[in-house]
Amino acid sequence: GEDVEQSLFLSVREGDSSVINCTYTDSSSTYLYWYKQEPGAGLQLLTYIFSNMDMKQDQRLTVLLNKKDKHLSLRIADTQTGDSAIYFCAVDIPDSNYQLIWGAGTKLIIKP
Amino acid sequence: DAGVIQSPRHEVTEMGQEVTLRCKPISGHNSLFWYRQTMMRGLELLIYFNNNVPIDDSGMPEDRFSAKMPNASFSTLKIQPSEPRDSAVYFCASSLQGSYEQYFGPGTRLTVT
Repeated sequence: GEDVEQSLFLSVREGDSSVINCTYTDSSSTYLYWYKQEPGAGLQLLTYIFSNMDMKQDQRLTVLLNKKDKHLSLRIADTQTGDSAIYFCAVDIPDSNYQLIWGAGTKLIIKP
Repeated sequence: DAGVIQSPRHEVTEMGQEVTLRCKPISGHNSLFWYRQTMMRGLELLIYFNNNVPIDDSGMPEDRFSAKMPNASFSTLKIQPSEPRDSAVYFCASSLQGSYEQYFGPGTRLTVT
């Protein structure tokens, strides 16, 4: 079945760019999401991309999609301490009654 | 607009006790999901409802777990009897029918001693 993989940790310096990567297995997935979970809180939808797009930019966030390699990335420019969180990649399961399959989450650690 | 509401936020109970977690989805959302999050297993889907009907409960760990959705604005997840390995954060999420975008509640942190 569908699988989504992410690295568990990423450490960056404040002010640098963060790039969080995700790979998935089902090439027919159409909707790909990034969610953010701050400590003690639920998951919050951050951004998304459709499979017919290669890139989507939203202020400091850039999502890149390589369909051939089934690789999704989230770039956060000028990383701030408030960006410390766990970032989850999620992709749709086709013909699944609108279920998502989730990565394990990448914990972003900001160094001063 | 209120988001997904969950109660209680924290629950500490002794092994063998019954635990009931509650969720109020966003008004107008037709789908409701219950997830469990642990360090070891990450985020797991337990069950989800569409128009108050359970569609997929294959993620419910065992018969000790049950979930109901008596109406469009309320759902419960019950564990009876609870065990220490049930300790986790339980999230409820809702979405509009026909959409993959899920909106999460703040979670209930359950500790079973």
